[in-house]
Amino acid sequence: NAGVTQTPKFQVLKTGQSMTLQCAQDMNHEYMSWYRQDPGMGLRLIHYSVGAGITDQGEVPNGYNVSRSTTEDFPLRLLSAAPSQTSVYFCASSSLGAYEQYFGPGTRLTVT
Amino acid sequence: GEDVEQSLFLSVREGDSSVINCTYTDSSSTYLYWYKQEPGAGLQLLTYIFSNMDMKQDQRLTVLLNKKDKHLSLRIADTQTGDSAIYFCAVNSGGYQKVTFGTGTKLQVIP
Repeated sequence: NAGVTQTPKFQVLKTGQSMTLQCAQDMNHEYMSWYRQDPGMGLRLIHYSVGAGITDQGEVPNGYNVSRSTTEDFPLRLLSAAPSQTSVYFCASSSLGAYEQYFGPGTRLTVT
Repeated sequence: GEDVEQSLFLSVREGDSSVINCTYTDSSSTYLYWYKQEPGAGLQLLTYIFSNMDMKQDQRLTVLLNKKDKHLSLRIADTQTGDSAIYFCAVNSGGYQKVTFGTGTKLQVIP
């Protein structure tokens, strides 16, 4: 099992550009989520999904879109990147009702 | 919403015990977690405790929960240089997927 994989590992964008952060898991987990990690602020939930076709907003959803067409994949789209979106992004997954989330290695995004 | 607070930094000597503290605000929290993040990596679940427990021990790790004071702590016995990492406290509130993370405590182990 590869677990939770994320691509790319690093990315630099200019303000206004768009991009998609990829996340995939091979554990057949129903629940997937995206977090951003900023210094001194811990992890904050951006969006989450409890299954294919079902997504919902977390604490900081503005400027991000998600979709879940398959159980395995949960991409995060930045529509028009802003410097405030400079952060490290983590994808996580778990079985519904499980207490443990499995995290990917993260994508470090810089917006100039 | 839930608020989870931790001190940002802790430095200990190798072989000593480390105690990382966390406070939270939602008394209805059901699961409380400790995650470890090594440099350049994602978070890895270290241990967890249910809200109906006061203590949980797992090898060198001891978790203490004081529900009255809404205080959670993680004690690492015989701290090693490999324990150097950021430790996140996390609290489940409002459903299994609504987990609130603390700011993380960076543990530095001095040889």
